[in-house]
Amino acid sequence: DAGVTQSPTHLIKTRGQQVTLRCSPISGHKSVSWYQQVLGQGPQFIFQYYEKEERGRGNFPDRFSARQFPNYSSELNVNALLLGDSALYLCASSLESGLGTDTQYFGPGTRLTVL
Amino acid sequence: AQSVTQLDSQVPVFEEAPVELRCNYSSSVSVYLFWYVQYPNQGLQLLLKYLSGSTLVKGINGFEAEFNKSQTSFHLRKPSVHISDTAEYFCAVTSFGNEKLTFGTGTRLTIIP
Repeated sequence: DAGVTQSPTHLIKTRGQQVTLRCSPISGHKSVSWYQQVLGQGPQFIFQYYEKEERGRGNFPDRFSARQFPNYSSELNVNALLLGDSALYLCASSLESGLGTDTQYFGPGTRLTVL
Repeated sequence: AQSVTQLDSQVPVFEEAPVELRCNYSSSVSVYLFWYVQYPNQGLQLLLKYLSGSTLVKGINGFEAEFNKSQTSFHLRKPSVHISDTAEYFCAVTSFGNEKLTFGTGTRLTIIP
């Protein structure tokens, strides 16, 4: 089975622009989470979606938004990009929400560079 | 709130020597603990996880970790490392009913031939 896939792999934007990142979970997984990993740091939780509903949100500004589609794929949108948004954006999928025990499987990430 | 501290940002080890990567956590509730590995330019891969039961957890690639509740630690060990173990290692914590993983800042393991 294919793992978690993300697109694009790399992206270069300028300050003030908007960006959309995409994620396809492992087949059968209904939960998708997004993380931001700034260079030299651990991943920081942004959002978790389960069955198209937001189940959790990290400490990120409203410029960050996401949604989950009926096929469980997900998009992360970031508006009004800042230099500090430059990071590796990771998507993770898991079987179900709410337990905390399920393994989260990570995709390869999208590297966003904001100039 | 939960937090994770990885005490060493970089650990150099000679090939075939043992290694321990340290992780301490803070939480007001019972925790689930994870170790992930990140190879260059890749996403994170689960090495092992502790949910309950035996405090010694065995994972992939010969790694193991021991949960110590009194010391709030979850250190990762391998008895003999290989060049292929060169990577960044992240400790993470969550709790029941919470799928948000809180990660440490990572430990870069460098294997010296």
